[in-house]
Amino acid sequence: AQSVTQLDSQVPVFEEAPVELRCNYSSSVSVYLFWYVQYPNQGLQLLLKYLSGSTLVKGINGFEAEFNKSQTSFHLRKPSVHISDTAEYFCAVDPPSGSARQLTFGSGTQLTVLP
Amino acid sequence: SAVISQKPSRDICQRGTSLTIQCQVDSQVTMMFWYRQQPGQSLTLIATANQGSEATYESGFVIDKFPISRPNLTFSTLTVSNMSPEDSSIYLCSVEDGDRGEQYFGPGTRLTVT
Repeated sequence: AQSVTQLDSQVPVFEEAPVELRCNYSSSVSVYLFWYVQYPNQGLQLLLKYLSGSTLVKGINGFEAEFNKSQTSFHLRKPSVHISDTAEYFCAVDPPSGSARQLTFGSGTQLTVLP
Repeated sequence: SAVISQKPSRDICQRGTSLTIQCQVDSQVTMMFWYRQQPGQSLTLIATANQGSEATYESGFVIDKFPISRPNLTFSTLTVSNMSPEDSSIYLCSVEDGDRGEQYFGPGTRLTVT
């Protein structure tokens, strides 16, 4: 079984400042890793994913994440945030093999960008 | 990417009643998933629905409470039965793109039980 920990439930940051949202996972097997964003009153949208290959993954809206196998982390970063980035961000893991793909989500991080 | 729609987008229901949520996908998919997101919480998988077979429920969820139908490769329904205020949540369906290793989510159904 796998689990996901998002250590920060809320992250306030000023506009144009950099931000890092932390995600750690535990799994006995290799996993796929995802970041999803949920804007207010909307469904989830995929930001980026790590399946294999380069450990630095670039996603939409200027976000990127780095897979660190030794630290079992997949932190999300953006060098300069905008007001429009205010949303809930979820890290998720998914075993690449097996009969069913079942995403396990972290508890979420509310990013609030302040003017 | 798959485009997913859900109906209704929101509803307010009385306790003891049932609500059926529909999920429609614009392409044929093998696996569909139903999640619950309680207020201020993360997503929890309710069940996995494959066309032509019974849904597989996660621990803590039972078919009598959350019956699921999957009549074809583009459609599924989730029924929330005998509702109580604790069922107030956002219910989301998702589909898997196995080739890309991604899941796509519908916009969700916001349910309030009074």
